[in-house]
Amino acid sequence: DAKTTQPPSMDCAEGRAANLPCNHSTISGNEYVYWYRQIHSQGPQYIIHGLKNNETNEMASLIITEDRKSSTLILPHATLRDTAVYYCIVSGGTDSWGKFQFGAGTQVVVTP
Amino acid sequence: SAVISQKPSRDICQRGTSLTIQCQVDSQVTMMFWYRQQPGQSLTLIATANQGSEATYESGFVIDKFPISRPNLTFSTLTVSNMSPEDSSIYLCSVQRTGKNEKLFFGSGTQLSVL
Repeated sequence: DAKTTQPPSMDCAEGRAANLPCNHSTISGNEYVYWYRQIHSQGPQYIIHGLKNNETNEMASLIITEDRKSSTLILPHATLRDTAVYYCIVSGGTDSWGKFQFGAGTQVVVTP
Repeated sequence: SAVISQKPSRDICQRGTSLTIQCQVDSQVTMMFWYRQQPGQSLTLIATANQGSEATYESGFVIDKFPISRPNLTFSTLTVSNMSPEDSSIYLCSVQRTGKNEKLFFGSGTQLSVL
């Protein structure tokens, strides 16, 4: 089973911020949180990842709680092209070589 | 980043036949992986392609059904053998360039339909 839990779907208005939650209560100390998205059967696209501190890049921000049991991906200004399935993945530690276990993800639909 | 080219991008095959999917990366990478995505489902890791040795398969996947080669640090193949309609899926190559805890890059996938 996947190590993460995400809501199955979420709607967001174009131009507004989209906040995508993820629970990973069994995360271990050396595991990272990764976010990917997949637009209609294309290969998954990397968004962002982090260990403890909050991270920001040109695509999104990642907020990780202090106890690291949950995180939130923030898309600051959602556009129609952000409609996709978003996956939150926990990976790392002794078995850290790319063995990403994908859960069901969150289907995000951005509406005009 | 790493640019990954997968061939073919899609194919329609007859049951009982085999298809070999190629994955070419534009630079040397440490790790290469193969994933499967069945219709309407999430991604499942098939195996890790090891350079110069046998691939490491995940539970539920076997070498006879999904033989994998990795002759060098930029290329790998996945064969889907003796296909049945249940093998209809998207097959994705992914790579990790160097160290642990690095992000994965994914190819655009091979859409396989088995009749």
